[in-house]
Amino acid sequence: AQKITQTQPGMFVQEKEAVTLDCTYDTSDQSYGLFWYKQPSSGEMIFLIYQGSYDEQNATEGRYSLNFQKARKSANLVISASQLGDSAMYFCAMREGIYGGSNFGNEKLTFGTGTRLTIIP
Amino acid sequence: GAVVSQHPSWVICKSGTSVKIECRSLDFQATTMFWYRQFPKQSLMLMATSNEGSKATYEQGVEKDKFLINHASLTLSTLTVTSAHPEDSSFYICSASDGTSGPETQYFGPGTRLLVL
Repeated sequence: AQKITQTQPGMFVQEKEAVTLDCTYDTSDQSYGLFWYKQPSSGEMIFLIYQGSYDEQNATEGRYSLNFQKARKSANLVISASQLGDSAMYFCAMREGIYGGSNFGNEKLTFGTGTRLTIIP
Repeated sequence: GAVVSQHPSWVICKSGTSVKIECRSLDFQATTMFWYRQFPKQSLMLMATSNEGSKATYEQGVEKDKFLINHASLTLSTLTVTSAHPEDSSFYICSASDGTSGPETQYFGPGTRLLVL
């Protein structure tokens, strides 16, 4: 079974509108982290936002917010006031593991298949 | 801070040759480095995880004898694609972790595009 599912292969959104990119996940761990990355055509992976499984508040970073619904196992990314520069591939990812240990950074990331977002002027 | 570099950024080679890709953490010590492969219009797939001074852990289906990983120091990991073939053409991305518990614990390099003719 897929651990990370992104059901929207592509999306077209008018500039200045808000857009929601869907992500659902599957894990039996109690402690996990959810990430969103942006990948422009240059290929670099740009970290956007993070949500920990124990975080009670939805994460926000500037125009990015994460709509975390734990019971539904969804972690949708919301981009407000979209800009032309937002056109890129967006990947949802999950890290399973135990928080706080000395090897916290060793847990691998599992990525979804991505959504290609195109902002229309 | 937390910059990861990769070299080369792109490489074209003939089938049968070996190609070495370097991944460096420039301003932090990377206790763990990850190597990913991304085929066109696909997602990132983890190939292997390497810890400094120990053997890499390969994901299922990744040939360890073909993709040699050496994590010789806390700032450098190398991926060598041995006897490269056209099907190895891909985008290879490394990431490095400093082992902290912060949210962005993996810092990605800019990637290396490999084309095998």
